[in-house]
This record gives sequence, C-alpha cells and structure tokens, in this order.
Amino acid sequence: DGGITQSPKYLFRKEGQNVTLSCEQNLNHDAMYWYRQDPGQGLRLIYYSQIVNDFQKGDIAEGYSVSREKKESFPLTVTSAQKNPTAFYLCASSMGLLLRSTEAFFGQGTRLTVV
Amino acid sequence: AQTVTQSQPEMSVQEAETVTLSCTYDTSENNYYLFWYKQPPSRQMILVIRQEAYKQQNATENRFSVNFQKAAKSFSLKISDSQLGDTAMYFCAFMSGREGKLIFGQGTELSVKP
Repeated sequence: DGGITQSPKYLFRKEGQNVTLSCEQNLNHDAMYWYRQDPGQGLRLIYYSQIVNDFQKGDIAEGYSVSREKKESFPLTVTSAQKNPTAFYLCASSMGLLLRSTEAFFGQGTRLTVV
Repeated sequence: AQTVTQSQPEMSVQEAETVTLSCTYDTSENNYYLFWYKQPPSRQMILVIRQEAYKQQNATENRFSVNFQKAAKSFSLKISDSQLGDTAMYFCAFMSGREGKLIFGQGTELSVKP
C-alpha cells in the first residue's frame, strides 16, 4: 500500500537531548513538509522540501533541522536549542507544483514528549 | 509573507442543518491553491476540498462546497446536511504556486449535534 509513514507514534526524550523523527513515503512524491501542532495553534510549518537535496525554512524553523538526501525520506531533528519541543508533529507529502497536483497526504503523526 | 486566518475557533450545528466556516488569507501572488482539511479525533488529516485560484468556478464535493472570493481573499466552506461524522477540526490551507509552501490557519472545531 502506498502511503506516508511516521515513526514512532510516541517518543519520549530527556531535556537537552537531540531527537530525530522519521518520515518516509512511497508515493513517489517530490514535495515533503514538516508541521508542529499545538492546542489552539493549528499546524505551523517547520521545514519543507520541493526536491531532493533542497529544503527551505518554514515559519518556525529555529531549533529544528532536516535533510533530504533521498526522495522518499525527510527526517526532522529536534535539537536541544528548541525551547519547547513537546508537541504533535505531522509530516506530509505532495506530488509537487510541476505536476500541478498539490494535494498533500499526511502521516499519522508523532507525539514527542520531552521531560 | 502569506497568512491564513480562521476567525471562528468553535462552531456547532444541528444534524441535517447547514453550516459555513470562514477563512481569509493574505498573499501578493496571483497563482495559488486553497484547501480545506478535516482532522477528526484520530488526528489523521483528510482533504475535504481543493480550489485553484485561476478557476473562477467554486469547487464542490458532494455535501461540501466553497465560496471563493479572490478579490476579497476569502475562502469559506459550506457543509450541507451536516452529519455526526462531520464533527472534527477543520483547517483552511494555502499553497503558494511559486514556491510550494503550504500553510494552515488556526482551525475551527466543528461539533455536529444530534
């Protein structure tokens, strides 16, 4: 089955540790996105990538880093510089603008708790 | 910078009635895409409806339709014959046609009451 997979579903880390959230898609999509969701604040864009080996900062990139070495993978690292990392993180992908197919498909999310 | 604003944090509607969710956006671009997504309690994001800015005709998907007013930068969602399964958080979203950046509004929590 084609889809977008985030793992793990729940993640616990100690304060001060970096942690990497996984996002994999087998939809052959060019574009991928990372969002953070907090209660009452909707989805806020962290990073996005339209093509392999290229990515752009979103609206709240500070304290986060990404890589896009493979088309199907877009891991997000939450660094110790992120002041309030506890949140629900969503990854999404779409075919991209070139194909004019812009619908984004979402993973099931990772709930990160930093203690 | 583009922004998306949903001014109704919560709404409720009786089953079988009609409800309209509001969304406004700000952009200097002429080519872009607008979406409504639904997020039920499972937190899985589901596309409800999509509108291309270059199309004047309002998009419709079964009980869901939009009122797209490009000059006013308004993109409201109308749900007809509301069903209990429509209870969810609804997000309005904007995608730049130039850079593919996809941003969301704050969401409207819709409750459909029996």
